[in-house]
Amino acid sequence: DAKTTQPPSMDCAEGRAANLPCNHSTISGNEYVYWYRQIHSQGPQYIIHGLKNNETNEMASLIITEDRKSSTLILPHATLRDTAVYYCIAVSNAGGTSYGKLTFGQGTILTVHP
Amino acid sequence: DVKVTQSSRYLVKRTGEKVFLECVQDMDHENMFWYRQDPGLGLRLIYFSYDVKMKEKGDIPEGYSVSREKKERFSLILESASTNQTSMYLCASSWGTEAYYGYTFGSGTRLTVV
Repeated sequence: DAKTTQPPSMDCAEGRAANLPCNHSTISGNEYVYWYRQIHSQGPQYIIHGLKNNETNEMASLIITEDRKSSTLILPHATLRDTAVYYCIAVSNAGGTSYGKLTFGQGTILTVHP
Repeated sequence: DVKVTQSSRYLVKRTGEKVFLECVQDMDHENMFWYRQDPGLGLRLIYFSYDVKMKEKGDIPEGYSVSREKKERFSLILESASTNQTSMYLCASSWGTEAYYGYTFGSGTRLTVV
């Protein structure tokens, strides 16, 4: 799976949009971009994933550049409960290769301030 | 709301004890996973199960066993707990074994072996 690079930390004011970047310059055509987050002392929580197109769900939006070398997770109206470590990972759909494999890097610590 | 429930948030056990960690999911997922998470080491896969009574070793199965008698329940067993098994244990479930299906995690069990 492609390596991903994220800033170690970011701050955001409550009610504002949080934009979390992720670089994945070596991503291959069959690799999805997945975002999970982990609130302190809890299990990881799936947020969103995408392959080529931008995606939106009730939690967030995912913007993937046309060349797929980077992406941005957008939390449109951040709340204090969004304070967490956010992980961006690239996951292959090649089959038989990624069972159970969730290689989280250091992620981005997002702190939402009042 | 779909859920993966781990029976205990915190456990303290003595060295040599047999320890059972229970995980139940209500999503009718066929695939369930056990991980441990330690600072600096990320998520490490212990065992996973792709069907009732079926199990596969992950990356660090030594000292652990699992049981899946019913589809919704996946148990992790520490046969004889040791201090190096002090960790956060995370259960997850998914429609598929491959990571690109996305995983739903429980809240975790923080186990301390003294």
